[in-house]
Amino acid sequence: GAGVSQTPSNKVTEKGKYVELRCDPISGHTALYWYRQSLGQGPEFLIYFQGTGAADDSGLPNDRFFAVRPEGSVSTLKIQRTERGDSAVYLCASSGWVDRGNRNTEAFFGQGTRLTVV
Amino acid sequence: KQEVTQIPAALSVPEGENLVLNCSFTDSAIYNLQWFRQDPGKGLTSLLLIQSSQREQTSGRLNASLDKSSGRSTLYIAASQPGDSATYLCAVRPRGSQGNLIFGKGTKLSVKP
Repeated sequence: GAGVSQTPSNKVTEKGKYVELRCDPISGHTALYWYRQSLGQGPEFLIYFQGTGAADDSGLPNDRFFAVRPEGSVSTLKIQRTERGDSAVYLCASSGWVDRGNRNTEAFFGQGTRLTVV
Repeated sequence: KQEVTQIPAALSVPEGENLVLNCSFTDSAIYNLQWFRQDPGKGLTSLLLIQSSQREQTSGRLNASLDKSSGRSTLYIAASQPGDSATYLCAVRPRGSQGNLIFGKGTKLSVKP
């Protein structure tokens, strides 16, 4: 697609429920990132994929959060046993391959999914 | 640990003014620095990307500079317009990391007609 697409745009769920958030990166982008943004804050890193593998998942807050990218394109962020503190905007971004020799590392973001846990 | 700070947190200017937004980072070992714009309730729009070897980038009325050794970047907006009102975020991509971006908290800009 032309840009990064995230679905749904809004999700309201009850405390304790399971949710899945989807990200469709720009075609051909090997790197995919998930961020979480709370009101008045900058985006906070969650996890980063190069291809199918999670290259860095150090930002995931706890084991209730998990993300997959089985075919190296679409990614799903999964949150189990949601808590009210999980309410935030979840942003996805993609970019070209990131290494020392590659300057084409501009990151492009989707519109985000606003998650509200009630 | 890399930290990114943006000052001021909010800025209000009359239409037509030139203005400067500031970004500082604690570790100069970066691949690049990127400036984004975020409108309320929306995602991030990339404005400018400066590679670590570059000093500045320009796009239209926007000019971003980078002084890596001092850990500073500025975003200059010329002849501001009400449509420029948004939150502006800067982010660095640290060397040695797996490639993720580290963001500041942003500067909320309001341009009054």
